[in-house]
Amino acid sequence: DAGITQSPRHKVTETGTPVTLRCHQTENHRYMYWYRQDPGHGLRLIHYSYGVKDTDKGEVSDGYSVSRSKTEDFLLTLESATSSQTSVYFCAISEIAGGSYEQYFGPGTRLTVT
Amino acid sequence: GENVEQHPSTLSVQEGDSAVIKCTYSDSASNYFPWYKQELGKRPQLIIDIRSNVGEKKDQRIAVTLNKTAKHFSLHITETQPEDSAVYFCAAGGTASKLTFGTGTRLQVTL
Repeated sequence: DAGITQSPRHKVTETGTPVTLRCHQTENHRYMYWYRQDPGHGLRLIHYSYGVKDTDKGEVSDGYSVSRSKTEDFLLTLESATSSQTSVYFCAISEIAGGSYEQYFGPGTRLTVT
Repeated sequence: GENVEQHPSTLSVQEGDSAVIKCTYSDSASNYFPWYKQELGKRPQLIIDIRSNVGEKKDQRIAVTLNKTAKHFSLHITETQPEDSAVYFCAAGGTASKLTFGTGTRLQVTL
């Protein structure tokens, strides 16, 4: 499982509240990613990081921010949660091997915004 | 940016038959094409991948083919078994180690 954990695993929150999801890895991987998974949309990239304090936006970044102050932790914050952000959130890490970027996923966080 | 289309969205085969899932991509700079399997309630798991300098790759009952000229790649599963039932995702990647995923294929293997 590439030493990836996510917390919390399940969360229910109310519209308008801030929410922070945590991804923790134990194997010193440089690249980390946040995806959301929704029926009919597959996995969509929210933000990614290519090093400590180095982050960039993905295709669905509006309403989300990230921070990476340590190699092992990548935090995703919903600044003011909306019902459209109800989803399953997956963190991933990347191992760069021979020019390819094999990504491995964490167990996921199911977030419900009521 | 990259756009990946995946077909079919659902696929039902009988045990022992073959299954084929197809994906197309738009960005000619993409050079890495992984496939993931996701069982219900679980995380996506990498099952096979192919790089742009290779046309075909096999691993036991699964194989992936790539046609760079046509910008499409396919997953082939032979001698399907009930445990192959899952959702399969293709993806395409290039610079900055980012992947763009297809929308998934739900494969059901019936007895």
